[in-house]
Amino acid sequence: IAGITQAPTSQILAAGRRMTLRCTQDMRHNAMYWYRQDLGLGLRLIHYSNTAGTTGKGEVPDGYSVSRANTDDFPLTLASAVPSQTSVYFCASSDGIAGEADTQYFGPGTRLTVL
Amino acid sequence: GQNIDQPTEMTATEGAIVQINCTYQTSGFNGLFWYQQHAGEAPTFLSYNVLDGLEEKGRFSSFLSRSKGYSYLLLKELQMKDSASYLCAVSDSNYQLIWGAGTKLIIKP
Repeated sequence: IAGITQAPTSQILAAGRRMTLRCTQDMRHNAMYWYRQDLGLGLRLIHYSNTAGTTGKGEVPDGYSVSRANTDDFPLTLASAVPSQTSVYFCASSDGIAGEADTQYFGPGTRLTVL
Repeated sequence: GQNIDQPTEMTATEGAIVQINCTYQTSGFNGLFWYQQHAGEAPTFLSYNVLDGLEEKGRFSSFLSRSKGYSYLLLKELQMKDSASYLCAVSDSNYQLIWGAGTKLIIKP
Protein backbone atom coordinates (compact mmCIF):
# COMPACT_ATOMS: atom_id res chain seq x y z
CA ILE A 1 0.00 0.00 0.00
CA ALA A 2 1.60 3.28 -1.08
CA GLY A 3 -0.59 5.65 0.95
CA ILE A 4 -0.23 9.02 -0.70
CA THR A 5 2.04 9.71 -3.63
CA GLN A 6 2.99 13.08 -5.08
CA ALA A 7 4.65 13.99 -8.34
CA PRO A 8 7.01 15.47 -9.21
CA THR A 9 9.39 15.22 -6.26
CA SER A 10 10.91 18.54 -7.20
CA GLN A 11 10.60 21.05 -10.02
CA ILE A 12 12.23 24.26 -11.16
CA LEU A 13 9.79 26.41 -13.09
CA ALA A 14 10.05 29.68 -14.99
CA ALA A 15 7.73 32.44 -13.83
CA GLY A 16 4.56 32.64 -15.86
CA ARG A 17 4.46 28.93 -16.67
CA ARG A 18 1.56 26.68 -15.80
CA MET A 19 2.23 23.73 -13.50
CA THR A 20 0.15 20.89 -12.09
CA LEU A 21 1.22 19.04 -8.98
CA ARG A 22 -0.23 15.56 -8.76
CA CYS A 23 -1.51 13.77 -5.67
CA THR A 24 -2.96 10.27 -5.47
CA GLN A 25 -4.09 8.29 -2.42
CA ASP A 26 -5.09 4.64 -2.18
CA MET A 27 -6.66 4.70 1.29
CA ARG A 28 -10.17 5.54 0.04
CA HIS A 29 -10.14 8.66 2.20
CA ASN A 30 -12.96 11.10 1.65
CA ALA A 31 -11.06 14.29 2.44
CA MET A 32 -7.91 15.64 0.78
CA TYR A 33 -5.86 18.76 1.35
CA TRP A 34 -3.09 20.83 -0.20
CA TYR A 35 -0.66 22.71 2.05
CA ARG A 36 2.39 24.81 1.47
CA GLN A 37 5.23 24.90 3.97
CA ASP A 38 7.65 27.82 4.13
CA LEU A 39 10.56 28.31 6.50
CA GLY A 40 9.44 29.84 9.80
CA LEU A 41 5.77 29.45 9.00
CA GLY A 42 3.37 26.68 9.83
CA LEU A 43 1.67 24.57 7.22
CA ARG A 44 -0.83 26.75 5.40
CA LEU A 45 -3.91 25.28 3.79
CA ILE A 46 -4.33 26.16 0.12
CA HIS A 47 -7.42 24.16 -0.90
CA TYR A 48 -9.28 21.17 0.42
CA SER A 49 -11.91 18.69 -0.66
CA ASN A 50 -14.27 17.00 1.79
CA THR A 51 -15.45 14.47 -0.78
CA ALA A 52 -15.16 13.73 -4.48
CA GLY A 53 -16.83 16.44 -6.55
CA THR A 54 -16.45 19.20 -3.95
CA THR A 55 -13.62 21.62 -3.18
CA GLY A 56 -13.09 24.55 -0.84
CA LYS A 57 -10.67 27.41 -0.33
CA GLY A 58 -8.18 27.41 2.50
CA GLU A 59 -6.09 30.16 4.01
CA VAL A 60 -3.95 30.96 0.93
CA PRO A 61 -5.90 29.97 -2.23
CA ASP A 62 -4.92 32.83 -4.59
CA GLY A 63 -3.02 31.69 -7.66
CA TYR A 64 -3.98 28.03 -7.18
CA SER A 65 -6.84 25.84 -8.34
CA VAL A 66 -7.85 22.25 -7.63
CA SER A 67 -10.24 19.62 -8.88
CA ARG A 68 -11.57 16.40 -7.35
CA ALA A 69 -12.99 14.27 -10.14
CA ASN A 70 -12.68 11.04 -8.14
CA THR A 71 -11.80 9.82 -4.66
CA ASP A 72 -8.15 9.07 -5.33
CA ASP A 73 -6.79 12.11 -7.18
CA PHE A 74 -6.48 15.74 -6.12
CA PRO A 75 -4.27 17.77 -8.50
CA LEU A 76 -3.14 21.31 -7.68
CA THR A 77 -2.63 23.74 -10.57
CA LEU A 78 -0.64 26.95 -10.64
CA ALA A 79 -2.07 28.81 -13.64
CA SER A 80 0.80 31.30 -13.96
CA ALA A 81 3.59 30.67 -11.48
CA VAL A 82 5.21 33.52 -9.54
CA PRO A 83 8.39 33.46 -7.41
CA SER A 84 6.37 33.79 -4.18
CA GLN A 85 4.96 30.34 -4.91
CA THR A 86 8.39 28.83 -4.31
CA SER A 87 7.71 26.42 -1.47
CA VAL A 88 7.35 22.81 -0.42
CA TYR A 89 3.87 21.52 -1.21
CA PHE A 90 2.29 18.70 0.77
CA CYS A 91 -0.82 16.79 -0.10
CA ALA A 92 -2.69 15.09 2.74
CA SER A 93 -5.79 12.97 3.19
CA SER A 94 -8.07 11.89 6.02
CA ASP A 95 -11.18 9.80 6.58
CA GLY A 96 -13.24 12.99 6.50
CA ILE A 97 -15.94 11.75 8.83
CA ALA A 98 -18.40 14.58 9.42
CA GLY A 99 -18.26 16.04 12.91
CA GLU A 100 -14.92 14.47 13.78
CA ALA A 101 -11.38 15.79 13.92
CA ASP A 102 -9.60 13.04 12.04
CA THR A 103 -5.91 12.40 11.52
CA GLN A 104 -4.36 13.70 8.33
CA TYR A 105 -1.79 11.59 6.49
CA PHE A 106 0.77 13.33 4.33
CA GLY A 107 2.43 12.63 1.02
CA PRO A 108 6.21 13.03 0.62
CA GLY A 109 5.95 16.58 -0.74
CA THR A 110 6.93 18.46 -3.89
CA ARG A 111 9.71 21.03 -3.70
CA LEU A 112 8.87 23.78 -6.20
CA THR A 113 11.18 26.62 -7.19
CA VAL A 114 9.84 29.44 -9.38
CA LEU A 115 12.48 31.61 -10.99
CA GLY B 1 -7.50 35.73 14.82
CA GLN B 2 -6.26 32.21 15.28
CA ASN B 3 -2.82 31.62 16.74
CA ILE B 4 -0.64 28.68 17.69
CA ASP B 5 2.61 29.38 19.54
CA GLN B 6 5.54 27.02 19.97
CA PRO B 7 9.22 27.64 20.72
CA THR B 8 11.25 27.86 17.53
CA GLU B 9 14.09 25.62 18.66
CA MET B 10 15.11 23.48 21.62
CA THR B 11 18.24 21.52 22.44
CA ALA B 12 18.42 18.44 24.65
CA THR B 13 20.83 15.64 25.48
CA GLU B 14 20.56 12.04 24.42
CA GLY B 15 18.89 9.98 27.16
CA ALA B 16 17.25 13.01 28.78
CA ILE B 17 13.65 14.25 28.87
CA VAL B 18 12.31 17.27 26.97
CA GLN B 19 8.97 19.06 27.08
CA ILE B 20 7.75 21.01 24.04
CA ASN B 21 4.99 23.49 24.81
CA CYS B 22 2.18 24.71 22.60
CA THR B 23 -0.34 27.45 23.39
CA TYR B 24 -3.30 28.21 21.20
CA GLN B 25 -6.09 30.69 20.59
CA THR B 26 -8.56 29.42 18.02
CA SER B 27 -12.17 29.85 16.97
CA GLY B 28 -13.51 26.67 18.48
CA PHE B 29 -11.66 23.57 19.55
CA ASN B 30 -12.10 20.02 18.35
CA GLY B 31 -8.83 18.54 19.47
CA LEU B 32 -5.09 19.05 19.30
CA PHE B 33 -2.61 17.06 17.24
CA TRP B 34 1.14 16.59 17.48
CA TYR B 35 3.14 15.62 14.41
CA GLN B 36 6.81 14.82 13.93
CA GLN B 37 8.65 16.00 10.83
CA HIS B 38 12.21 14.97 10.02
CA ALA B 39 14.15 17.32 7.78
CA GLY B 40 13.13 16.93 4.14
CA GLU B 41 10.30 14.55 4.97
CA ALA B 42 6.55 14.67 5.47
CA PRO B 43 4.87 15.24 8.84
CA THR B 44 3.81 12.04 10.59
CA PHE B 45 1.12 11.72 13.25
CA LEU B 46 2.20 11.34 16.87
CA SER B 47 -0.80 12.02 19.11
CA TYR B 48 -4.28 13.49 19.46
CA ASN B 49 -5.85 15.01 22.58
CA VAL B 50 -9.42 16.22 22.85
CA LEU B 51 -9.99 15.82 26.61
CA ASP B 52 -7.92 17.32 29.41
CA GLY B 53 -5.13 15.19 30.75
CA LEU B 54 -2.16 13.13 29.77
CA GLU B 55 -2.05 10.58 26.94
CA GLU B 56 0.95 8.25 27.07
CA LYS B 57 2.28 6.35 24.09
CA GLY B 58 5.61 4.68 24.72
CA ARG B 59 8.39 7.26 25.11
CA PHE B 60 6.05 10.05 24.00
CA SER B 61 3.26 11.64 26.06
CA SER B 62 0.96 14.53 25.27
CA PHE B 63 -0.91 16.71 27.73
CA LEU B 64 -3.86 19.04 27.21
CA SER B 65 -5.49 21.77 29.29
CA ARG B 66 -8.42 23.25 27.37
CA SER B 67 -9.12 25.92 29.97
CA LYS B 68 -5.55 27.23 29.61
CA GLY B 69 -5.30 26.75 25.86
CA TYR B 70 -2.15 24.75 26.46
CA SER B 71 -0.57 21.47 25.48
CA TYR B 72 2.82 19.89 25.76
CA LEU B 73 4.61 16.97 24.17
CA LEU B 74 6.93 15.07 26.52
CA LEU B 75 9.70 12.97 25.03
CA LYS B 76 11.54 10.59 27.37
CA GLU B 77 14.80 8.66 26.95
CA LEU B 78 15.77 10.84 24.02
CA GLN B 79 17.45 9.18 21.07
CA MET B 80 19.38 10.80 18.24
CA LYS B 81 16.59 9.81 15.84
CA ASP B 82 14.24 12.11 17.79
CA SER B 83 16.02 15.08 16.21
CA ALA B 84 13.19 16.57 14.16
CA SER B 85 10.61 19.32 14.11
CA TYR B 86 7.50 18.84 16.22
CA LEU B 87 4.32 20.46 14.92
CA CYS B 88 1.31 21.37 17.05
CA ALA B 89 -2.05 21.69 15.26
CA VAL B 90 -5.54 22.52 16.54
CA SER B 91 -8.76 21.41 14.91
CA ASP B 92 -10.99 24.49 14.89
CA SER B 93 -14.77 24.90 14.85
CA ASN B 94 -14.85 23.90 11.15
CA TYR B 95 -12.59 20.88 11.77
CA GLN B 96 -9.81 22.58 9.82
CA LEU B 97 -6.31 22.18 11.25
CA ILE B 98 -4.52 25.34 12.33
CA TRP B 99 -0.78 24.71 12.48
CA GLY B 100 1.99 26.11 14.61
CA ALA B 101 5.32 26.91 12.94
CA GLY B 102 6.93 23.91 14.64
CA THR B 103 9.69 23.39 17.18
CA LYS B 104 13.03 22.17 15.91
CA LEU B 105 14.48 19.74 18.46
CA ILE B 106 18.24 19.21 18.39
CA ILE B 107 19.58 16.19 20.28
CA LYS B 108 23.21 16.26 21.36
CA PRO B 109 25.23 13.18 22.38
